[in-house]
Amino acid sequence: AQSVTQLDSHVSVSEGTPVLLRCNYSSSYSPSLFWYVQHPNKGLQLLLKYTSAATLVKGINGFEAEFKKSETSFHLTKPSAHMSDAAEYFCVVSDLGAAGNKLTFGGGTRVLVKP
Amino acid sequence: NAGVTQTPKFRILKIGQSMTLQCTQDMNHNYMYWYRQDPGMGLKLIYYSVGAGITDKGEVPNGYNVSRSTTEDFPLRLELAAPSQTSVYFCASSAGGGFMNTEAFFGQGTRLTVV
Repeated sequence: AQSVTQLDSHVSVSEGTPVLLRCNYSSSYSPSLFWYVQHPNKGLQLLLKYTSAATLVKGINGFEAEFKKSETSFHLTKPSAHMSDAAEYFCVVSDLGAAGNKLTFGGGTRVLVKP
Repeated sequence: NAGVTQTPKFRILKIGQSMTLQCTQDMNHNYMYWYRQDPGMGLKLIYYSVGAGITDKGEVPNGYNVSRSTTEDFPLRLELAAPSQTSVYFCASSAGGGFMNTEAFFGQGTRLTVV
């Protein structure tokens, strides 16, 4: 069975400072991992994905994440936060070895950006 | 360039009423999913489908039914609405079939309130 734990339910940063959102996963197979962002009253948008290629993955809007198998982590970072980054972020794991292609979501991290 | 389209966007139901949430995708994806998102929580899988004519239960299927008669459409049926089904519902689709095709595309969501 696969699972995802987002270690912080809320993160508050000042504009222009780095952002770190932490994610740990468990998976029985070789996982695909994703970060999605959800702005208020909007659907989910893919930020980036890891699919067994390079362990450092670059996404949209300056975000990147590093897959660390030994630590079962997939933390999301951005060097300099912008006001528009205020949103909820979801770490997601997909096990292709399981029946179907089910996505398992973490509980989400809500990011607040202070001016 | 529609992607995944959900209707309606908002709905208020009385306890015991029935309704169908519609979802259609124009990307010829084999995999389709229904998730619910409760306040402050991640998304939980209700049902999913790996192709026309094939559906299976997710984590929280009770109180819901689905069908998949075509590749494009995956409606979700609530037969006897209960307050516990108040939530935001997201439909998603993905190509599946390999590591590079696991990205899921989401609709804008349906906000359902049962009173």
